[in-house]
Amino acid sequence: KAGVTQTPRYLIKTRGQQVTLSCSPISGHRSVSWYQQTPGQGLQFLFEYFSETQRNKGNFPGRFSGRQFSNSRSEMNVSTLELGDSALYLCASSLNPGQSYEQYFGPGTRLTVT
Amino acid sequence: KQEVTQIPAALSVPEGENLVLNCSFTDSAIYNLQWFRQDPGKGLTSLLLIQSSQREQTSGRLNASLDKSSGRSTLYIAASQPGDSATYLCAVCNDYKLSFGAGTTVTVRA
Repeated sequence: KAGVTQTPRYLIKTRGQQVTLSCSPISGHRSVSWYQQTPGQGLQFLFEYFSETQRNKGNFPGRFSGRQFSNSRSEMNVSTLELGDSALYLCASSLNPGQSYEQYFGPGTRLTVT
Repeated sequence: KQEVTQIPAALSVPEGENLVLNCSFTDSAIYNLQWFRQDPGKGLTSLLLIQSSQREQTSGRLNASLDKSSGRSTLYIAASQPGDSATYLCAVCNDYKLSFGAGTTVTVRA
């Protein structure tokens, strides 16, 4: 069974631009979550989607948004990029984390904002 | 707000020694607790999942315990090997999200 895949793996953007990251969950998984990892803040929760519905959202500004499609694939978008948005963005998939299923992470997208 | 703490922040041991990694959390209303391993610049690899109703979970050389009432979990790695060198992260799940500790960076010296 293929694991969680994320594209692109690396991105370099300029301040003020916007970016879209993509995540394909493990086949059969309907929940997708996004996390930001930085050396200073560690791993922080962005949002979680289940069957195209956002069930929870972390404490991030409105510039961070996401969506989930009917095939469970998910995208997250960051608009008006800031230097502080440079981070490793990780996607996780699960059958349903609210029912105690294991979460599996992808390799991440490394975003550098210059 | 759930706070997760991992102690120690870093650990260096000779090969063959047993490892003990600690995790504590403030809100005991959790669905489960997961231990992950992260190699530099890589994603997270799930090691063990303990349901909130369980006290212990084992996989090979790994054993994790959970005391939900006191908000603590411990990961034991027996007979450490250089390949065990990595950052180990503890995460608790509630409200459809994981709250992570800062991790314990382990170095196993050959």
